[in-house]
Amino acid sequence: SQQGEEDPQALSIQEGENATMNCSYKTSINNLQWYRQNSGRGLVHLILIRSNEREKHSGRLRVTLDTSKKSSSLLITASRAADTASYFCATQRTGRRALTFGSGTRLQVQP
Amino acid sequence: EAGVAQSPRYKIIEKRQSVAFWCNPISGHATLYWYQQILGQGPKLLIQFQNNGVVDDSQLPKDRFSAERLKGVDSTLKIQPAKLEDSAVYLCASSPFASGRRDNEQFFGPGTRLTVL
Repeated sequence: SQQGEEDPQALSIQEGENATMNCSYKTSINNLQWYRQNSGRGLVHLILIRSNEREKHSGRLRVTLDTSKKSSSLLITASRAADTASYFCATQRTGRRALTFGSGTRLQVQP
Repeated sequence: EAGVAQSPRYKIIEKRQSVAFWCNPISGHATLYWYQQILGQGPKLLIQFQNNGVVDDSQLPKDRFSAERLKGVDSTLKIQPAKLEDSAVYLCASSPFASGRRDNEQFFGPGTRLTVL
């Protein structure tokens, strides 16, 4: 079963704009991770936020985590055409090593 | 550092045929995962190995799917016989393991795209 649900399912923006995607999950977690998948390729790890953290930055990425609401958001600032991809949140549940992925947000950045 | 290698990249078979996928994880990574990703969905864990032992295979359809990781390095995933609904991308991932380490970032291979006709 898929624990995380992302919204929106699809997002289309212009280059230079910011993109925000959200993820909700159901159980207690050790951490939440975001991955990017370009068409026809494997997944690439972007950022990990632990359950005791509320916000984390990496370059143009900003991730927030609200464990009381069991939700996270990924913000990509100043988007580029190369950011076009599918973005997945994945949760590592407490006491487990495997990840449970959401259904993803397909981001299209128009040049 | 070489990434996770998978082969073949693409495979087309008829239903009821057999197919096998191969994965070579990043050197030194003790944990290996196989995921199934159906078009438009996120990856779903099929099986997790720790060295050459199975940690979690609760979502592996064991009547037709099998996997092994001999010598704790390479792994193969087999489907026999294949069904139409097995059409998907099969992703292999690996992660390092350190006792006491809680975080588990995974490194993915490019995947094998299987089409069952």
